[in-house]
Amino acid sequence: EAGVVQSPRYKIIEKKQPVAFWCNPISGHNTLYWYLQNLGQGPELLIRYENEEAVDDSQLPKDRFSAERLKGVDSTLKIQPAELGDSAVYLCASSLEVGGPGTQYFGPGTRLLVL
Amino acid sequence: AQTVTQSQPEMSVQEAETVTLSCTYDTSENNYYLFWYKQPPSRQMILVIRQEAYKQQNATENRFSVNFQKAAKSFSLKISDSQLGDTAMYFCAFMTGSGDKIIFGKGTRLHILP
Repeated sequence: EAGVVQSPRYKIIEKKQPVAFWCNPISGHNTLYWYLQNLGQGPELLIRYENEEAVDDSQLPKDRFSAERLKGVDSTLKIQPAELGDSAVYLCASSLEVGGPGTQYFGPGTRLLVL
Repeated sequence: AQTVTQSQPEMSVQEAETVTLSCTYDTSENNYYLFWYKQPPSRQMILVIRQEAYKQQNATENRFSVNFQKAAKSFSLKISDSQLGDTAMYFCAFMTGSGDKIIFGKGTRLHILP
């Protein structure tokens, strides 16, 4: 069974440029999470989807970050414009359950460097 | 608000020894779940063990076991017969029963020495 797929694995951009990350969850997993992980820190939740609905986006900086999960399968996280402080690893995770404490399966992450 | 605290930023033990990683949390919820995740260097995060708060019995998974003290809000991870492949960052995580709040600790970097 394929795991959570993320692309790209690495991205280097200049500040003020836009960037997008893509995530394909495990087949059949209805809940999808995007996390931000700074160096040496634990993941911080940005947004959680149940199917195609964003049920928790309270930690998403909406002035520059946006996300979508069309058709309730794969998802895209966008930053526009990127700032130096956005340099981090962006993790995607999925779980089978909806509305419950399902085990999360993580992707390898996208490491973003903003110059 | 819920918090998760891992007080040991870094630990080192010899191969085959037993090591315990600490985690404390704070919540007013009665129904919640606790997790330990492992993140090896340059590899993706995987679940090590999971504990339901309503269960008194401590969860075990092969060489990994937890000491769940609900009243003390403590959730430590014990790794027995440690192996070189256990070298990783370990994150303690809390999730509400409804799954609407997920909080990770800052992690403990564990080194298993040959």
